[in-house]
This record gives sequence, structure tokens and C-alpha cells, in this order.
Amino acid sequence: EPEVTQTPSHQVTQMGQEVILRCVPISNHLYFYWYRQILGQKVEFLVSFYNNEISEKSEIFDDQFSVERPDGSNFTLKIRSTKLEDSAMYFCASRRTSGADTQYFGPGTRLTVL
Amino acid sequence: GENVEQHPSTLSVQEGDSAVIKCTYSDSASNYFPWYKQELGKRPQLIIDIRSNVGEKKDQRIAVTLNKTAKHFSLHITETQPEDSAVYFCAAPQGNNQGGKLIFGQGTELSVKP
Repeated sequence: EPEVTQTPSHQVTQMGQEVILRCVPISNHLYFYWYRQILGQKVEFLVSFYNNEISEKSEIFDDQFSVERPDGSNFTLKIRSTKLEDSAMYFCASRRTSGADTQYFGPGTRLTVL
Repeated sequence: GENVEQHPSTLSVQEGDSAVIKCTYSDSASNYFPWYKQELGKRPQLIIDIRSNVGEKKDQRIAVTLNKTAKHFSLHITETQPEDSAVYFCAAPQGNNQGGKLIFGQGTELSVKP
């Protein structure tokens, strides 16, 4: 069964550094998402992406964040200048169609900002 | 926007007992309600979902009920087993789920004691 994959599984970085988190969504899916989960808290929506552009973003997704689909398979989240409070688990998700359709989550990237 | 409230935050049951987790939502246009199970350090895994055109859905030991009038939906697990121990999240979309943004509840940590 196809799955969403993410790399790396764990990223440690210094405050102020740039990080890129990578995702490979399920191949026939058209809608892509990033969520984050601070340790012990709920999953929070960051951004949705469809047809090569951002569909919606949350207030968390400020100018330090960007997303890109550089080729037909990868979907990336970049944080330009990381802050301590960016430390969290970042999940990529994808969905085949619009409407009442299931989102499938990747295994996550644990980002630790020191 | 959508707001999802989930109760209880923790739930401890004896093996073989039933467990019920409840969620309420605020957006009357929401039409899709998934439940995710998250084991420690792992991705959220969809366990069951329900569309707004039905009131109940069952899959073996797991069932979900939906009351659109009252705007609440519940997860029912019967004959619980130790491997059911995890954090369970309900979610609801913003509006009719065209964009796919999911709003998650706060999570319920279920502990099944042998």
C-alpha cells in the first residue's frame, strides 16, 4: 500500500539556521499539507497546497515558512531562520481528491532547534 | 472558523471494556469526520471516518456516530485490548472540506490495562 514518506526523520539545527523538510506524497494525490505537533499537544494545520500554489495557510505559517513542489514527486517545507519555538514534529499529508476524502500522513520529521 | 473540542483528555479502561471518546465541532458546513490513532512517536493513522450523510459507521470493534443537529461525533471501541492504548484524535474540516484543512481535537490518551 502506498505511503507518504518524509526525510529526515530527525533534524537538529541551531537557532537562526535554515532547514528544509522533505516529503514524497502518494503518487496520484493532488492535495498536499503540512501540519505540526508540538510535543504533547494536538496536531495543527500549517499550509495546504494544490495545483502548484498555496491554497490556505494558518497564522503559524509566517514569512519564515515556504513550501515548494520542485518536481513531480517532492513537496518541501522550508523554514528560513529557525526559532526555538519551531521545535516540533512536522507531518506532511496528502489527499487524492477534494471533498470528503481521506488525508494520509507521513511518519513525520522531528525538528529540534537549539 | 472550525473549532473542535474533544473529551476526555485521558481515559483508562480495563481490557475487554468499552471506551467512548466524544468530540464537538462548530462549523455546520463540515461534512467529513475522521478519527486518527497515534502511537508514541508515530504518525497519525486513520482508523475510521464518517461522512455527513450517515449517522453511524462500524468497522469490527470500532464505531463512529455522528449527530449533525447537535454537532457532535463519538468514537466507540468495544472489547478493548492493550494494543488499543494510544492517543486518539478527532478532526473536522473547515467548511465542506474542499480545501482539506483539518482541525484536530486536543487528543485523548487511552490506556487499556491488562
